[in-house]
Amino acid sequence: AQKVTQAQTEISVVEKEDVTLDCVYETRDTTYYLFWYKQPPSGELVFLIRRNSFDEQNEISGRYSWNFQKSTSSFNFTITASQVVDSAVYFCALLSRSGYALNFGKGTSLLVTP
Amino acid sequence: DTGVSQDPRHKITKRGQNVTFRCDPISEHNRLYWYRQTLGQGPEFLTYFQNEAQLEKSRLLSDRFSAERPKGSFSTLEIQRTEQGDSAMYLCASSFYRGLHNEQFFGPGTRLTVL
Repeated sequence: AQKVTQAQTEISVVEKEDVTLDCVYETRDTTYYLFWYKQPPSGELVFLIRRNSFDEQNEISGRYSWNFQKSTSSFNFTITASQVVDSAVYFCALLSRSGYALNFGKGTSLLVTP
Repeated sequence: DTGVSQDPRHKITKRGQNVTFRCDPISEHNRLYWYRQTLGQGPEFLTYFQNEAQLEKSRLLSDRFSAERPKGSFSTLEIQRTEQGDSAMYLCASSFYRGLHNEQFFGPGTRLTVL
């Protein structure tokens, strides 16, 4: 069975604060893929990152960074110096090597206020 | 390269009516997926196609739902005899698959409201 848990339902921060969104996953597969998507108020899911299970290297893209730790089955997402435009619902998702459908968490709603 | 498009963006219908949604994937993508998202939840898988073949259907896809991808390009999702519980956002995604999974790109969704 596969499961993604995003324990934080809602987070509210003030602009320029750093914020970390947590993602914990469960899978019996040895090869799998992890994803983060952003869903702004317009509703369209925007792909942010894909990480393969055999690549534990952390990644940084501008103000975004991702920390993948297999030992704790976590794939956390940090936004540095948050901006109002970062306000959205963020979803973590899991896909096994042999699978086809993304298994999404319930999402974390991030509100960044000026 | 245009992204995934869906039509219509919004649909309001009365209970018992049939509705059909269309999805146009990214042109070179061979896989097409349908998901459903209800308020406060993550998207849930409904079905997917590889080229024109429908390879998997979720238990969520009752016999009132049918999906097609006739020429391996666009896809349609039809809901017959709609019920209020069908009200949701229906999302289409596409990806290019050749032995390894690539990211799925999503369309803007069709929001269905059943009165």
